[in-house]
Amino acid sequence: GAGVSQSPSNKVTEKGKDVELRCDPISGHTALYWYRQSLGQGLEFLIYFQGNSAPDKSGLPSDRFSAERTGGSVSTLTIQRTQQEDSAVYLCASSPGRSVYEQYFGPGTRLTVT
Amino acid sequence: QKEVEQNSGPLSVPEGAIASLNCTYSDRGSQSFFWYRQYSGKSPELIMSIYSNGDKEDGRFTAQLNKASQYVSLLIRDSQPSDSATYLCAVKAAGDMRFGAGTRLTVKP
Repeated sequence: GAGVSQSPSNKVTEKGKDVELRCDPISGHTALYWYRQSLGQGLEFLIYFQGNSAPDKSGLPSDRFSAERTGGSVSTLTIQRTQQEDSAVYLCASSPGRSVYEQYFGPGTRLTVT
Repeated sequence: QKEVEQNSGPLSVPEGAIASLNCTYSDRGSQSFFWYRQYSGKSPELIMSIYSNGDKEDGRFTAQLNKASQYVSLLIRDSQPSDSATYLCAVKAAGDMRFGAGTRLTVKP
């Protein structure tokens, strides 16, 4: 079946602009995660959605970052007033949830802020 | 103290040898443990999950878990150059998943 998809694959934006990154999880997966990975670094947790529960936003680095998940499926990560330090690969993962926690990652969106 | 710690490496082993990758975690309530492989420029892919103390084998891969020592490891037998990648340890406690920074493995022909 189809895996996790993300769009766009690459995004170049000017400092101060807003960007939206999209994630389409595996069908039927109730849990969705956003991570950020800077060059040569590990995964930085951003936000976690589980079903209809309130999202865990504890990893969002500033109030410029927000995310929503519509209808329990597609998620959008929005970064407002982008800064150069926001440049990274943004990875989305989904998992079945309901005590099944294996995560399956999308190909990522490479964001470059100039 | 980081929640999930791994030796960053690089770890270099000759082809055919056993590669041993280690991970420690700080949350004693953690119940689920995972190993991911990440090739350069690619996203992580799941290799193994382990939930109970002891060993779990899958092909050339063996995951080992010791909850009392808060330690999880991954052994790769008969290492191949195609195993060269960064290996990420991930731990799930009550909330979200936490990843280690990864260990870079190089298998030399």
